[in-house]
Amino acid sequence: DAGVIQSPRHEVTEMGQEVTLRCKPISGHDYLFWYRQTMMRGLELLIYFNNNVPIDDSGMPEDRFSAKMPNASFSTLKIQPSEPRDSAVYFCASTGTGNTEAFFGQGTRLTVV
Amino acid sequence: RKEVEQDPGPFNVPEGATVAFNCTYSNSASQSFFWYRQDCRKEPKLLMSVYSSGNEDGRFTAQLNRASQYISLLIRDSKLSDSATYLCVVTSGTYKYIFGTGTRLKVLA
Repeated sequence: DAGVIQSPRHEVTEMGQEVTLRCKPISGHDYLFWYRQTMMRGLELLIYFNNNVPIDDSGMPEDRFSAKMPNASFSTLKIQPSEPRDSAVYFCASTGTGNTEAFFGQGTRLTVV
Repeated sequence: RKEVEQDPGPFNVPEGATVAFNCTYSNSASQSFFWYRQDCRKEPKLLMSVYSSGNEDGRFTAQLNRASQYISLLIRDSKLSDSATYLCVVTSGTYKYIFGTGTRLKVLA
């Protein structure tokens, strides 16, 4: 299996632009998670899905952030408009019911200038 | 108060030393516990699960104290390759994985 695949690996954008991060979970996994990691705050859970349905989005920082999972093999995290304080590494992870381990993608390093 | 708290370190230890990390969690209903390892500029990866009875995997020993709500990780005979950030993870509900901010370990030659 190829593991969790995220794209792009790096993104540099200007303040005010829309940013879309993409994630393909491991085939057969029914849970998908979006995390944001910064030096100051560590790894924060933004939102997670079960069977494509958002279960808990209490970690989404504000309305500029939105996440969708249109099918079992694809999810997006969108930031519109982006701000410099959104600069971070965004990780997607997945796991399956009955599993204990969450598998992470390699992350997207976002820089907003 | 954060749900999961760790001493950020860094812990600088010589090769061969024994080092221990602790982690505290606030939700007494937490169900599952893990230690993850994250190398610089890489994704987190599972190091080991933590069971109520304690468990060992080679040089690594993990323990859980539900009464005091803390988890520990002990690394014996430290190797240079153990240098990384160690993340304590607690689940809130069955699948909501909450990460601590991590403890940095540097093993010195």
